[in-house]
Amino acid sequence: NAGVMQNPRHLVRRRGQEARLRCSPMKGHSHVYWYRQLPEEGLKFMVYLQKENIIDESGMPKERFSAEFPKEGPSILRIQQVVRGDSAAYFCASSPSGEGSQPQHFGDGTRLSIL
Amino acid sequence: GENVEQHPSTLSVQEGDSAVIKCTYSDSASNYFPWYKQELGKGPQLIIDIRSNVGEKKDQRIAVTLNKTAKHFSLHITETQPEDSAVYFCAANIRSAGNKLTFGGGTRVLVKP
Repeated sequence: NAGVMQNPRHLVRRRGQEARLRCSPMKGHSHVYWYRQLPEEGLKFMVYLQKENIIDESGMPKERFSAEFPKEGPSILRIQQVVRGDSAAYFCASSPSGEGSQPQHFGDGTRLSIL
Repeated sequence: GENVEQHPSTLSVQEGDSAVIKCTYSDSASNYFPWYKQELGKGPQLIIDIRSNVGEKKDQRIAVTLNKTAKHFSLHITETQPEDSAVYFCAANIRSAGNKLTFGGGTRVLVKP
């Protein structure tokens, strides 16, 4: 009964490199959300996707960040030319639909460290 | 947009006592309010949620109350145990934007044995 799976759990990158974070939603869930958490802070919404569609990317920086959720395979959050300020925990959540009262279930996150 | 305030930021209780965490929200259209527990190195775990058509919900030692008029909701943990120690987050949905959640800043709960 797999939950939301994220990998890698830890990712270390040097400034200027690319980071790719992957998220496989719970079985039967077709809606994926990405959140970012800085140390000692709450989670901040980044992007909301359905299969092959970005529904809301209002929380994602306009430059260097992109997300996709292809028809087959996991959702990918991509950060190009990483900077120190990108160091954070990135969490993915999934829900069965986009209705406003559907529970979101989270993975254990990817902790990104930028050297 | 939605703004969620959470208090207190830290809470220390003696084992067996109750813990109460309070949140306020700004968007009167919000209708879904989940609570998450986050342990060190883990993702947030949904522990209870409440929808705006009810005022209270209980699940064993955990209960949540909602006051729509005042736009605040609270988490109550009774008979606290050391394993309840964690960071707790409240959240509210933004109805105009799918199921997007806005989170409070979190409450670090320490249950002392």
